[in-house]
Amino acid sequence: NAGVTQTPKFRILKIGQSMTLQCTQDMNHNYMYWYRQDPGMGLKLIYYSVGAGITDKGEVPNGYNVSRSTTEDFPLRLELAAPSQTSVYFCASTGSGNTEAFFGQGTRLTVV
Amino acid sequence: GENVEQHPSTLSVQEGDSAVIKCTYSDSASNYFPWYKQELGKGPQLIIDIRSNVGEKKDQRIAVTLNKTAKHFSLHITETQPEDSAVYFCAATYGTGTALIFGKGTTLSVSS
Repeated sequence: NAGVTQTPKFRILKIGQSMTLQCTQDMNHNYMYWYRQDPGMGLKLIYYSVGAGITDKGEVPNGYNVSRSTTEDFPLRLELAAPSQTSVYFCASTGSGNTEAFFGQGTRLTVV
Repeated sequence: GENVEQHPSTLSVQEGDSAVIKCTYSDSASNYFPWYKQELGKGPQLIIDIRSNVGEKKDQRIAVTLNKTAKHFSLHITETQPEDSAVYFCAATYGTGTALIFGKGTTLSVSS
């Protein structure tokens, strides 16, 4: 069972470029989340989804977009990369409310 | 908005000692409080969780306590071992939803 898979693992972007961070889960979970982790700051919620076709903003959504066309996939899009978006991004999923969240291995993004 | 405060930010103990990490949350509607352990280069993994209708939960050397009136919850690790060294995060739900707000983390170092 693969769990939550994120690609790529590492990426360097130039300011103004765009990219999509991929996230897929094979546990048939309804709920999916994107977090960013900056040193000493814990994890900040960017966007989340409670099911296919439904997305909602978290704590720090500015500069990001998401879509949820299938249960399995929850891509995160950066349209105009900025140095402030340099971070480690984690995708997570849960099967139902208030149960264990399974995290991917993370994507380390550097914007220069 | 919702906020989770976590203390201390770093904690050093000798092998065999106990470690305690404390968190407070601001949203009285929060009803689920998980603790995650993150090892270097990996995504967070759930180690224990507690729901709002329970005051204490124990799993071998790990226990969590919750005081809903004071909006405090704590992680207790007894008989610490070097492999307990990691970053620990507390979290609370956004109200009664499923999305989690995380504390800033505690770096626990256990020396032998």
